[in-house]
Amino acid sequence: AQKITQTQPGMFVQEKEAVTLDCTYDTSDPSYGLFWYKQPSSGEMIFLIYQGSYDQQNATEGRYSLNFQKARKSANLVISASQLGDSAMYFCAMRDVYNFNKFYFGSGTKLNVKP
Amino acid sequence: GAVVSQHPSRVICKSGTSVKIECRSLDFQATTMFWYRQFPKQSLMLMATSNEGSKATYEQGVEKDKFLINHASLTLSTLTVTSAHPEDSSFYICSAPDRDGYTFGSGTRLTVV
Repeated sequence: AQKITQTQPGMFVQEKEAVTLDCTYDTSDPSYGLFWYKQPSSGEMIFLIYQGSYDQQNATEGRYSLNFQKARKSANLVISASQLGDSAMYFCAMRDVYNFNKFYFGSGTKLNVKP
Repeated sequence: GAVVSQHPSRVICKSGTSVKIECRSLDFQATTMFWYRQFPKQSLMLMATSNEGSKATYEQGVEKDKFLINHASLTLSTLTVTSAHPEDSSFYICSAPDRDGYTFGSGTRLTVV
């Protein structure tokens, strides 16, 4: 069974600094996909970044990068140059390729960016 | 990009009544739709997976008769909360796989009074 763990319920970061949000996962499947989503207070889920299990390079999307360490089964999200608008909940998620592409979420990290 | 339109965004209903939530894919065909439930300050919990033209598959512990899911077409999936009770109050959100990954609806905040 898949399991996603986010050990940081809340994080603070100073505006313009970088922050790392942790995510570890557990799966016995050789093929899987890892995602990060941002959920502001409005509730919508905003896709940030994707990493495939066979991707050789770490994914990057603008200010977001994913520190993928396959052997450690970790997929940490790095946000560079934090902005006040980055304050939100952040969820790590994994796609279960062998189970109808189901999507499982971690418990989330509440990020607060301080001015 | 792909868009999933979810309605209503907010609904307040009386205990014992039923509420229908719709998710419609606007510019792509969604043969599969995932339905999630999120309690305050908690994660999204997968409730069920709907597939166009077949019965939905429910996650363990989710009552099939209470949460009726219908995937009537390639662009529409509905979740009906039947005989709603205050403990059903929650945030419900749908998601459909698209070409690039997954697209989420904007969510429905259900309050049962």
